[in-house]
Amino acid sequence: DAGVTQSPTHLIKTRGQQVTLRCSPKSGHDTVSWYQQALGQGPQFIFQYYEEEERQRGNFPDRFSGHQFPNYSSELNVNALLLGDSALYLCASSRTGRETQYFGPGTRLLVL
Amino acid sequence: GESVGLHLPTLSVQEGDNSIINCAYSNSASDYFIWYKQESGKGPQFIIDIRSNMDKRQGQRVTVLLNKTVKHLSLQIAATQPGDSAVYFCAEKFQGAQKLVFGQGTRLTINP
Repeated sequence: DAGVTQSPTHLIKTRGQQVTLRCSPKSGHDTVSWYQQALGQGPQFIFQYYEEEERQRGNFPDRFSGHQFPNYSSELNVNALLLGDSALYLCASSRTGRETQYFGPGTRLLVL
Repeated sequence: GESVGLHLPTLSVQEGDNSIINCAYSNSASDYFIWYKQESGKGPQFIIDIRSNMDKRQGQRVTVLLNKTVKHLSLQIAATQPGDSAVYFCAEKFQGAQKLVFGQGTRLTINP
């Protein structure tokens, strides 16, 4: 049983560029949440997708957007990258009605 | 505001001893709590969770205790092993919300 997978594992971008990160949820899961984890900090909630719609959003600007596909996989898009966007981006999946979120390995984004 | 804090940022224990990692939460309306283990370069790994209608839950070598009176959560790891070395995060979920709110984390080091 495959767990949560994310791609790419690492990414280097320059300020002002745009980036797309991808996530495939754990088998049987239909809900995907995205988190940003700065170095030495706990993960911060960006947003959650369920039934291809954003269900809840954290305190992140509109530069951060997402999408969920019919197969429950998800993308996180960040526009106009800033140096401060450098972080580990984590995807977590869960099943409707269950609170437990299972995390993927993350994508390490470096903005130069 | 939202905050899940930890009493100690670092904890060092002898191999074979029991470890106790503490966490204070601020929102009395939180109804779900979860502990994750995060090894260097990896995503958070689910350890154990507990709902607010319980005060204790046991897993394999781990026990989570919830004290709602003082808004305190703890993770007990029995007979710690070198593989237990990692950063441990507690997180809470507010009632009716979808997101997890994480604390800063505690780094657990196991001494041989």
